[in-house]
Amino acid sequence: KQEVTQIPAALSVPEGENLVLNCSFTDSAIYNLQWFRQDPGKGLTSLLLIQSSQREQTSGRLNASLDKSSGRSTLYIAASQPGDSATYLCAVDTGKLIFGQGTTLQVKP
Amino acid sequence: ETGVTQSPTHLIKTRGQQVTLRCSSQSGHNTVSWYQQALGQGPQFIFQYYREEENGRGNFPPRFSGLQFPNYSSELNVNALELDDSALYLCASSLTRGNEKLFFGSGTQLSVL
Repeated sequence: KQEVTQIPAALSVPEGENLVLNCSFTDSAIYNLQWFRQDPGKGLTSLLLIQSSQREQTSGRLNASLDKSSGRSTLYIAASQPGDSATYLCAVDTGKLIFGQGTTLQVKP
Repeated sequence: ETGVTQSPTHLIKTRGQQVTLRCSSQSGHNTVSWYQQALGQGPQFIFQYYREEENGRGNFPPRFSGLQFPNYSSELNVNALELDDSALYLCASSLTRGNEKLFFGSGTQLSVL
């Protein structure tokens, strides 16, 4: 059974820091891995999608990596800003999306 | 704006009642998926519809059912509500069949008392 775990559950950093969010999954049979952002009480916004054959994807200050063999992905956020404060969710696509519990990020001015 | 609209935004029901949640997708989005998100948890997949046919189902009992209509709207119906059904219900739509390029609505917050 596929399980997705995100560490840490919460993170608070001062503005300007570079930070890394971690995601691990138990079964490497995935089509892709996706990172989402969720603001309080809102839906999800897609950030990055990494196909199973890819190693990383970049969008602006965000960079996501995928190591299928070890069942790990990281989301790197450069030069964090208060507007980055949100919950970040990773999900693996096995034909259905299986989500982790999320990392709640607070970036303090 | 994702172009996906859910209604109502909030809803309060009592245990044993039935509820219908609605989702309106962008034109041309033939795939719609529904998720349940309990407080502090990640979303859990309920089911997906493609061109009005069920295209996969998660680990939810049959009292969770759905419909997708030709006008890109869809419904999630839950019968015999239980306290544990209290959650944020999200729908997501996509142009393609599957889970890439999903656009999520803001959700319906359901409270079961």
